[in-house]
Amino acid sequence: QVQLMESGGGLVKPGGSLRLSCAASGFTFRDYLMTWIRQAPGKGLEWLSYISPDSSTIYYAESVKGRFTISRDNAKNSLYLQMNSLRAEDTAVYYCARDDATYVAHWGQGILVTVSS
Amino acid sequence: QSALTQPASVSGSPGQSITISCTGTNNDVGAFRYVSWYQQHPGKAPKLLIYDVKNRPSGVSDRFSGSKSGNTASLSISGLQAEDEAHYHCCAYTTTSTYVFGTGTEVTVL
Repeated sequence: QVQLMESGGGLVKPGGSLRLSCAASGFTFRDYLMTWIRQAPGKGLEWLSYISPDSSTIYYAESVKGRFTISRDNAKNSLYLQMNSLRAEDTAVYYCARDDATYVAHWGQGILVTVSS
Repeated sequence: QSALTQPASVSGSPGQSITISCTGTNNDVGAFRYVSWYQQHPGKAPKLLIYDVKNRPSGVSDRFSGSKSGNTASLSISGLQAEDEAHYHCCAYTTTSTYVFGTGTEVTVL
């Protein structure tokens, strides 16, 4: 079955950086779009970014454009999110997800990122 | 891209039917038939319930159904059960090749 496992979260100071990783299994990773989504405490979901199977197409939400970078390594079945210039409002649970072209089909369990001094 | 508008809460008694609305614009909900719905229990990851407006993935109960008219999509739950108590989120693909989620709705089973 599809499994997505995020790692790399934690506490970081404002202005700092963090790199999230997502290990995928149970499907042919290189064939699928992949997505990052977050959820601030007590809030709704916010789509952040997706990347095409060959990394040729990438889109970002305006809220993270220029600060966050999505990437993938198909040889390692892994998805990444490099987060720079972090702000308090970036505090959230971050989900890695498989994107089946018009919807998010499978989600990881999520990982907490806390931005605080 | 502004979040899609959902009611903050909806409630119903066991066995009843409820409907959750999701209102967007011509650039998202109204643009394509690419609206999806997700169920999220407290402390858990969201789970896909409906995709492409009205399609159910394998394993999702047929008590859940989706529809769309213009810029508003809807999720209906029939035969409400205690296990349906959760948050529900809509999502639409947009004309700028991004996604936008709704504000989320808390469903309470009375």
